[in-house]
Amino acid sequence: EAGVAQSPRYKIIEKRQSVAFWCNPISGHATLYWYQQILGQGPKLLIQFQNNGVVDDSQLPKDRFSAERLKGVDSTLKIQPAKLEDSAVYLCASSPTSGRLLRDEQFFGPGTRLTVL
Amino acid sequence: AQTVTQSQPEMSVQEAETVTLSCTYDTSENNYYLFWYKQPPSRQMILVIRQEAYKQQNATENRFSVNFQKAAKSFSLKISDSQLGDTAMYFCAFGEGNAGNMLTFGGGTRLMVKP
Repeated sequence: EAGVAQSPRYKIIEKRQSVAFWCNPISGHATLYWYQQILGQGPKLLIQFQNNGVVDDSQLPKDRFSAERLKGVDSTLKIQPAKLEDSAVYLCASSPTSGRLLRDEQFFGPGTRLTVL
Repeated sequence: AQTVTQSQPEMSVQEAETVTLSCTYDTSENNYYLFWYKQPPSRQMILVIRQEAYKQQNATENRFSVNFQKAAKSFSLKISDSQLGDTAMYFCAFGEGNAGNMLTFGGGTRLMVKP
C-alpha cells in the first residue's frame, strides 16, 4: 500500500512570494490533515478535512494560508505572501475513516521543508 | 485548550538498555486518547503506541510500553532493549474524544541510542 505522498520535498523562496504544497493521501482515506512543524517543535495542526469538507481550520492563518481538497482526494496548501516565520516543515497526514474515531491512526507523509529568505 | 509537555529535550541510552521518556498533559476532559509518535531522521512520523484514557491497563507494543497515570496526567514511554533503530525524535500527543481526530503534540524528545 502506497503511503502519503507530498511534493515538493524542499522549497526555498523569498519573503512575500507565494508557494503551494501538494498532498496525495493513502487511497480510500477520508480524513486529511495539514500540520506545520517549526524546527525544534512538535507539529501543529493547521487544517483538517473530512472528504472535501473542512472539519477544523481554527489554527490556519487565513490572511495568508489557504487549503483545498477538491473531490475529497488530493489537497493543496498555499501561502501567499510568505513571511520569514513560515519557515517550517509542512506535514500532510491521512486517516482511514471519518476522523471522529480517535483510535484511527494518522499516517504521515515525508513533509515539505520550506525556507523563506 | 489542551497542552502537552515533554520536559526532556534530549536523552541518550546504551544499546540493549531501557529508557523512559516523560510526558505530561493538561485537560479537563475525561474522554481522550494519548499517543507516542516516532520521527526518525529524515523519515516519516509513525505511530508507536496509543492509550485510551478510559482503560486502566497500560498499553504495550513489543518493546514499547507506557505508564499511564490519569490522576497525575502523566504518560511516559518505556523502551526496553533499546536498538540503534530507535534513534529518533519522539512526540507525545493528546487527542480529545469530542474533537474529532485533532491531535495536540508536545515539543518532542530527541533520543540517541549509542552502540
